[in-house]
Amino acid sequence: EVQLVQSGAEVKKPGESLKISCKGSGNSFISSWIAWVRQMPGKGLEWMGIIYPHDSDTRYSPSFQGQVTISVDKSISTAYLQWSSLKASDTAIYYCARHGSLRGWLDPWGQGTLVTVSS
Amino acid sequence: QSVLTQPPSASGTPGQRVTISCSGSSSNIGSHTVNWYQQLPGTAPKLLIYTNDQRPSGVPDRFSGSKSGTSASLAISGLQSEDEADYYCAAWDDSLNAVVFGGGTKLTVL
Repeated sequence: EVQLVQSGAEVKKPGESLKISCKGSGNSFISSWIAWVRQMPGKGLEWMGIIYPHDSDTRYSPSFQGQVTISVDKSISTAYLQWSSLKASDTAIYYCARHGSLRGWLDPWGQGTLVTVSS
Repeated sequence: QSVLTQPPSASGTPGQRVTISCSGSSSNIGSHTVNWYQQLPGTAPKLLIYTNDQRPSGVPDRFSGSKSGTSASLAISGLQSEDEADYYCAAWDDSLNAVVFGGGTKLTVL
């Protein structure tokens, strides 16, 4: 079974770039769709997009298309979420999670990465 | 404004049964299965119910899910203090080509 471990909390300034990671363990990482989910402070869950490590097929929610980049290095079973120029409104907890199927349930979830963007 | 609509709050006393509703449309719940997630305070969400009414291993049978048309429900029977959490419904949406979540329901055990 896949387990997901995310990189640690980050504090950045507006305009800076950032790449956070989600490392999978277990044989099925490569053949699992991995999603990123945002949770802004005190708010609900928002699905950002998804990647299939086997062939790097990537899909984005319309709300996040062009705002972030999702990538993967399948040789080390790690998915990434990247920003080229952070904004204060990017402050949130970001979770990675495995999709049971392309349109299916999310399980398991990573522990989350808190990103704080402040001048 | 979330695509799926949930009540922002729900409450009950220990031992009671509570239900949480989730309303969508033909492009999401009407066409796809519904999943429910539990988020305990300060922790990552956890899958609670998948494919409308299935419980993952380890989830007590006090939790049950159902779906009818473009709506779904989560029921919790024999309410316990440790059930105090935020609950989210989710489904794939064909119009957005994305997973959509409800806004979440904060359950308080009185």
